[in-house]
Amino acid sequence: DAKTTQPPSMDCAEGRAANLPCNHSTISGNEYVYWYRQIHSQGPQYIIHGLKNNETNEMASLIITEDRKSSTLILPHATLRDTAVYYCIVRVATGGKLIFGQGTELSVKP
Amino acid sequence: GAVVSQHPSRVICKSGTSVKIECRSLDFQATTMFWYRQFPKQSLMLMATSNEGSKATYEQGVEKDKFLINHASLTLSTLTVTSAHPEDSSFYICSARLGRNCTFGSGTRLTVV
Repeated sequence: DAKTTQPPSMDCAEGRAANLPCNHSTISGNEYVYWYRQIHSQGPQYIIHGLKNNETNEMASLIITEDRKSSTLILPHATLRDTAVYYCIVRVATGGKLIFGQGTELSVKP
Repeated sequence: GAVVSQHPSRVICKSGTSVKIECRSLDFQATTMFWYRQFPKQSLMLMATSNEGSKATYEQGVEKDKFLINHASLTLSTLTVTSAHPEDSSFYICSARLGRNCTFGSGTRLTVV
């Protein structure tokens, strides 16, 4: 599986949009971009995934660049409960293992 | 939505004893489950892939005789930490694959004293 690079930490003001970047320059054509988050001492929670088109669900939006070498997870209106470590992972959709990098520790501040 | 239940959530055991952790998919069948370990302030590390009805596949550096995995049914995988020692104290997390996604359990905090 390709590796990803994320900033170790970010701050965001409550109510503002949180934009979390991820670089995956060695991604293969059949690999998807997945985002999970982990709130302290809990199991990771699925957020969103995509292949090449932008995706949106009730939690977040995922913007993938045209060359697919990077992506951005957008939390449109961050709340204090969004404070967590966010992991960007690339994997083959069918059967691929989820290999976690170091992630980005997002702190949402009042 | 898909739910994965992990039990126990916390366990304290004496050094040299064995501990079993259960991972159940509650509302779906999972032919593949994954086991992770997480030390404080570190990321999740994949230990092994558990396949129903066959032997687990262990990641490099993970001792298969120490971390016994059994996946005897489509809804249950177990991880047994044998002859536990203080350095095995960690947060153990399972996940079950459903289609393109993986759903995670809430984790088991193991403390070996």
